[in-house]
Amino acid sequence: AQKVTQAQTEISVVEKEDVTLDCVYETRDTTYYLFWYKQPPSGELVFLIRRNSFDEQNEISGRYSWNFQKSTSSFNFTITASQVVDSAVYFCALSVRRGAGGGNKLTFGTGTQLKVEL
Amino acid sequence: NAGVTQTPKFQVLKTGQSMTLQCAQDMNHEYMSWYRQDPGMGLRLIHYSVGAGITDQGEVPNGYNVSRSTTEDFPLRLLSAAPSQTSVYFCASKERQENFGELFFGEGSRLTVL
Repeated sequence: AQKVTQAQTEISVVEKEDVTLDCVYETRDTTYYLFWYKQPPSGELVFLIRRNSFDEQNEISGRYSWNFQKSTSSFNFTITASQVVDSAVYFCALSVRRGAGGGNKLTFGTGTQLKVEL
Repeated sequence: NAGVTQTPKFQVLKTGQSMTLQCAQDMNHEYMSWYRQDPGMGLRLIHYSVGAGITDQGEVPNGYNVSRSTTEDFPLRLLSAAPSQTSVYFCASKERQENFGELFFGEGSRLTVL
């Protein structure tokens, strides 16, 4: 079975601080994909990034960066110089490869509420 | 391009009532799914479909029915609503089941069962 753990329920930071959201996953599969989604106060879910299990290179996109470490089964997300607009719930998710009929269902963590204050 | 459209956005039901949450996508996606979001639980998969005429259960299917008569539509039915079904429901789609691309989500439907 797959599992995603986001131990940080809520994080509060002051604007311009850096913040890291932790994500730890469990799977016995060797081929899997990891995702991060953002849910702003308006409620919709916004896709941020996808990473496959064979690509451990870190990724940077503007103020966002992701650190994937298979050795610790972690896929952490860092926001540099946080802004009020970054306030949202952030979900980490895992999908594993299955054969026909198995479905590549997405397993979500419980989310981390990030509050960025002035 | 509308993407994934859910209706209604808000609904209040009494225990025992039935209703259908509608979901439509205009991206010709084969895979569609329904999730429910509850505080502290993240998103949990209710049912999914890999194509017209094909549906299967997810993690929390009890109390819900689905059907997929067309590629575009994937309604979620509550036959006899219970307070435990108070939640925010999200419909999501992607191109194909075996595709590991992103899921495209609707804006959500907030359901309250009294």
